[in-house]
Amino acid sequence: AAGVIQSPRHLIKEKRETATLKCYPIPRHDTVYWYQQGPGQDPQFLISFYEKMQSDKGSIPDRFSAQQFSDYHSELTMSSLELGDSALYFCASSLEGITGKGEKLFFGSGTQLSVL
Amino acid sequence: ILNVEQSPQSLHVQEGDSTNFTCSFPSSNFYALHWYRWETAKSPEALFVMTLNGDEKKKGRISATLNTKEGYSYLYIKGSQPEDSATYLCAFGTGTASKLTFGTGTRLQVTL
Repeated sequence: AAGVIQSPRHLIKEKRETATLKCYPIPRHDTVYWYQQGPGQDPQFLISFYEKMQSDKGSIPDRFSAQQFSDYHSELTMSSLELGDSALYFCASSLEGITGKGEKLFFGSGTQLSVL
Repeated sequence: ILNVEQSPQSLHVQEGDSTNFTCSFPSSNFYALHWYRWETAKSPEALFVMTLNGDEKKKGRISATLNTKEGYSYLYIKGSQPEDSATYLCAFGTGTASKLTFGTGTRLQVTL
């Protein structure tokens, strides 16, 4: 069965550079979520999209932006990178995306971002 | 800020032992409680989603219970095996949000 695909798996950037992470949800899933997990920390919700519209926003810095495209894939763009942005970034998808209402999330393998 | 707490933080058991751990969450505005298993170098995998007080779910040797009135869920593993070694995350969902709040997880290590 197709899973959530994230690319790249690893990304190394310098401070003040820009990084773009991609997420391809499971086919027919209409909702995408982005989570950030810093070293030794629990996953933090960043942002979600339902049917290509932003549905919810968490602790996402203004330097970060995201969108969901017509084919339902999503991209998270992080500009003016800081050392503290180094983390594992997970994307998850679900169907009829009102997670919190019983639909489980399917996670991608994550993108490990290292900011040097 | 929603507070989801898991205990213990880590657990080390022998193969064949049964074990359980706890997820505590706010008892107000409850809608769903999720459990995920996260193995090293893999992505989190959904175990259970529970929405009703008193729910009990079972998947093989793993089961979970839910008490929404007092705000806790237990995850039980019967006869632990080395392949059960993982971090077990719970996540709390409210009826007014489209996001889950995750706990910090319980890291389980099962040795022979």
